[in-house]
Amino acid sequence: EDQVTQSPEALRLQEGESSSLNCSYTVSGLRGLFWYRQDPGKGPEFLFTLYSAGEEKEKERLKATLTKKESFLHITAPKPEDSATYLCAVRHYGGSQGNLIFGKGTKLSVKP
Amino acid sequence: SQTIHQWPATLVQPVGSPLSLECTVEGTSNPNLYWYRQAAGRGLQLLFYSVGIGQISSEVPQNLSASRPQDRQFILSSKKLLLSDSGFYLCAWKFQMNTGELFFGEGSRLTVL
Repeated sequence: EDQVTQSPEALRLQEGESSSLNCSYTVSGLRGLFWYRQDPGKGPEFLFTLYSAGEEKEKERLKATLTKKESFLHITAPKPEDSATYLCAVRHYGGSQGNLIFGKGTKLSVKP
Repeated sequence: SQTIHQWPATLVQPVGSPLSLECTVEGTSNPNLYWYRQAAGRGLQLLFYSVGIGQISSEVPQNLSASRPQDRQFILSSKKLLLSDSGFYLCAWKFQMNTGELFFGEGSRLTVL
């Protein structure tokens, strides 16, 4: 069964304390891995797309990396405004038109 | 640039009442459109998607239906709401290709009492 698992479910950091979020996937033929940020009561905001193992993308304090079985979202020196739920999603061969399979997310809290 | 709008943002409805959530996309033509539902502690679940006017695919059998009367308009409906229909509903769009990211609206919070 195609699956996306994110860990940890929740992560509490002090401001400036770097860490990583994990997204592992089991799909038949990856056609893209996507990271989103979601604030409470809002729709997910697109962050990154990764297509092949070894690929990396960066945006401000965030860096996303991809291997053949998982992706990491590295957060360097986080600030309180980085607090949000981070969602990972994958698209695979055989999936319906453009559909993404989402993980349950990691809720990140950054304390000042 | 492209934008997506959803309304209403919040809705409280009694069991058995009808539902209509609307979504429109601006700044692009012929997008793929999607309705997702997000329940607490669960990932986003795809409900419907559409690749063109009048073309609707359902991913999960349920009490809901979708329609696409215009190229950039997507509507989620129900004739009679159930308690289990409560949740956070998200509309999304993407360009017409087999790759690329989805862009989400702000969401509609539905509470069925």
